[in-house]
Amino acid sequence: DSGVTQTPKHLITATGQRVTLRCSPRSGDLSVYWYQQSLDQGLQFLIQYYNGEERAKGNILERFSAQQFPDLHSELNLSSLELGDSALYFCASSVGGGRAEDTQYFGPGTRLTVL
Amino acid sequence: GESVGLHLPTLSVQEGDNSIINCAYSNSASDYFIWYKQESGKGPQFIIDIRSNMDKRQGQRVTVLLNKTVKHLSLQIAATQPGDSAVYFCAEKKNTGNQFYFGTGTSLTVIP
Repeated sequence: DSGVTQTPKHLITATGQRVTLRCSPRSGDLSVYWYQQSLDQGLQFLIQYYNGEERAKGNILERFSAQQFPDLHSELNLSSLELGDSALYFCASSVGGGRAEDTQYFGPGTRLTVL
Repeated sequence: GESVGLHLPTLSVQEGDNSIINCAYSNSASDYFIWYKQESGKGPQFIIDIRSNMDKRQGQRVTVLLNKTVKHLSLQIAATQPGDSAVYFCAEKKNTGNQFYFGTGTSLTVIP
């Protein structure tokens, strides 16, 4: 158990809908990262928040957004869902803002299925 | 852009044998590398890391080797056990950035 929690574990929805994924980082960690993992694909970095502020942005679609709240939990919002958005979404957390040796610890993931 | 790839998508080894999982990276500016293990239905789990100023680092039953000349990273698992069956990802990061770049993964199957 990494100490990172994600809810829900599974989510099934229809195209065009909007969903929110939630992540609670490890105690003491200030950074939260979101990743997408599609079938047979590696982990694609989406976005990072550090202490409430956006720190880095990867290949995140405009239909997706995220935020980190004062209690440091984070939410990833996915809107106008398409079939291709079906994937595992992982949250990771780290102590610092992302310096080289800032190890990221991953949560168990949310499996999103868009029908 | 950055590219992290794996030489082999699957690897099968006999229980008790040593496993070697390879990874090639393309960004010579990367100076930090991590190996993660992902079991079915779970999130990636940190195994071991190495900085670019090192060429070898050892952990418990695992060793990571870094060859910067050919931009190659490998993970060696000693006395492989059934519990080692998983997908293994390498990831690289530049010290100036926050983003990790992950490979597509190698699936390791341990045969009892």
